[in-house]
Amino acid sequence: DVKVTQSSRYLVKRTGEKVFLECVQDMDHENMFWYRQDPGLGLRLIYFSYDVKMKEKGDIPEGYSVSREKKERFSLILESASTNQTSMYLCASSSPLAEGRHEQYFGPGTRLTVT
Amino acid sequence: EDQVTQSPEALRLQEGESSSLNCSYTVSGLRGLFWYRQDPGKGPEFLFTLYSAGEEKEKERLKATLTKKESFLHITAPKPEDSATYLCAVTHTGTASKLTFGTGTRLQVTL
Repeated sequence: DVKVTQSSRYLVKRTGEKVFLECVQDMDHENMFWYRQDPGLGLRLIYFSYDVKMKEKGDIPEGYSVSREKKERFSLILESASTNQTSMYLCASSSPLAEGRHEQYFGPGTRLTVT
Repeated sequence: EDQVTQSPEALRLQEGESSSLNCSYTVSGLRGLFWYRQDPGKGPEFLFTLYSAGEEKEKERLKATLTKKESFLHITAPKPEDSATYLCAVTHTGTASKLTFGTGTRLQVTL
């Protein structure tokens, strides 16, 4: 079974703090993704990575950065947290395109509250 | 730009009352359509991938079908444990790694 884990289930941070969200997958997947999920807006892609040290912006990258130093680990960084970044953050991973399977497997999510 | 619209937003069924959820999509060159189940406060759980019109997939009380414009998730004789939000997503040939999600249908099954 694919396992995607996220470092925290719940996190409370203050405005202006630097926040790190960590994600680890154990299936040797090439692709990893960060989404945020808000009521009425669905899942929106923040950043994704298709290889170590490679990253691409998703639909809403502003205010975020990412790091992928190892294949199994993908970190999301909020450089200076703001209240509008309060959300559920979801990490996902998937197989390489060459394998023809594009489904993504998700972690349990991190509920981040910025006060 | 890919678009995915799910309907209804919310659906309440009695146990045993079969129904269907709809996912209509606009995408250039569909590479795959995905169904996920999401329980409150948890990450989405993968259910099915459909690749071409006419394809069907089944899992327990769930059956997913695909046409050129939409997909249906049929729920036969649902049970309370089927209560969840069901999400639909698509990927197209240009960005086969990225998924575009709908906002989901929230299903509640009562006794």
